[in-house]
Amino acid sequence: DIQMTQSPSSVSASVGDRVTITCRASQGVNTWLAWYQQKPGKAPKLLIYVTSILQSGVPSRFSGSGSGTDFTLTISSLQPEDFATYYCQQADSFPWTFGQGTRVEIK
Amino acid sequence: QVQLVESGGGFVKPGGSLRLSCAASGFTFSEYYMTWIRQAPGKGLECISYISMPGTYTNYADSVKGRFTISRDNAKNLLYLHMNSLRVDDTAVYYCARDGGRFNDAWGQGTLVTVSS
Repeated sequence: DIQMTQSPSSVSASVGDRVTITCRASQGVNTWLAWYQQKPGKAPKLLIYVTSILQSGVPSRFSGSGSGTDFTLTISSLQPEDFATYYCQQADSFPWTFGQGTRVEIK
Repeated sequence: QVQLVESGGGFVKPGGSLRLSCAASGFTFSEYYMTWIRQAPGKGLECISYISMPGTYTNYADSVKGRFTISRDNAKNLLYLHMNSLRVDDTAVYYCARDGGRFNDAWGQGTLVTVSS
């Protein structure tokens, strides 16, 4: 299975901050990479797919980039509703695997 | 709007069986692959199975292969997960999700399965 490693595991940030989360795959996944946001007690929500395509309805402050093994999720200006846990997921090789999550906390 | 509603979770002893259901609405169910994803308490996400549109092709993670069976009834807009030989480490919230092209663009609210003696 492809291992996905996110960093950092958690980040403390303030409203308005720029936040960057990285995701590294144990082998190349082309551009088959997605990002999800999960709030406590809720199901994950798809934010970005195929590395950089914004899911319908997702604010443009979210963006994704990368290729091969290294990927990035950026939140350009953190909003109160963005405090959550973020997961990357590869879909190049089944089983689709997720990173361990990055918790974005209020500073 | 797209809606997925899981049911069938509960408490079961190790070695027991359970069947989860997922009722889909708001989209043409038969035109999408569907996926089951689980999340152990306080842990990350694990994709455990998917099924093709007509239900003829399925795939499983090694952790559930041979014990779990995914199926669907397109006439009733229902997705199933039959779980046998349950183990303590199968304890998790189980989500059904729509596969929008290898990525899960719609999720249910989840159903909790607890395996304990």
